[in-house]
Amino acid sequence: GENVEQHPSTLSVQEGDSAVIKCTYSDSASNYFPWYKQELGKRPQLIIDIRSNVGEKKDQRIAVTLNKTAKHFSLHITETQPEDSAVYFCAAGGGNKLVFGAGTILRVKS
Amino acid sequence: DTEVTQTPKHLVMGMTNKKSLKCEQHMGHRAMYWYKQKAKKPPELMFVYSYEKLSINESVPSRFSPECPNSSLLNLHLHALQPEDSALYLCASSHLLAGAAGELFFGEGSRLTVL
Repeated sequence: GENVEQHPSTLSVQEGDSAVIKCTYSDSASNYFPWYKQELGKRPQLIIDIRSNVGEKKDQRIAVTLNKTAKHFSLHITETQPEDSAVYFCAAGGGNKLVFGAGTILRVKS
Repeated sequence: DTEVTQTPKHLVMGMTNKKSLKCEQHMGHRAMYWYKQKAKKPPELMFVYSYEKLSINESVPSRFSPECPNSSLLNLHLHALQPEDSALYLCASSHLLAGAAGELFFGEGSRLTVL
């Protein structure tokens, strides 16, 4: 089955700096790679996703890149703000099955 | 309506109790999911229903019994649970896109404590 590894487990950045979170996956059949943000005590919410026929996708300060050959994908957040502080989960899958990475705690210091 | 609604928000039960968690969505999604999330861990898939039929069971113990009465409702029946089953139970729904995964919309979760 699919296995997703996520790094780093915690990340502290200064407000205004960029943050990068990386994930690798094992199943070459996976074709969908979303990123979820979960604030303390809240539900996970999708912030951006990418499918295997696309190499990069951007939405304002957030971008995701996918390297299918290397089986890794990354989340890039530019101009970080205190409200970006949360746990971020990557996921990989196909059909109706998504496997989540272990999560990254992002702290943005003001 | 873009919400997935879960009840109850909190549940405390003994190991001999029978209880149910409920989930409802009115977005026309034909895939519904139960995930389990322990503190500081990612969501773990338990069950998937596609078109009201159970399509994935991730080897979940039989003390958890899912039910999908119609396309808007999803239940999780709980019986003879163990303290280690204490967790946040998240319901989610998504469109079915010709076999491809779509965005998961999560409910706020039901926080379960087993005494």
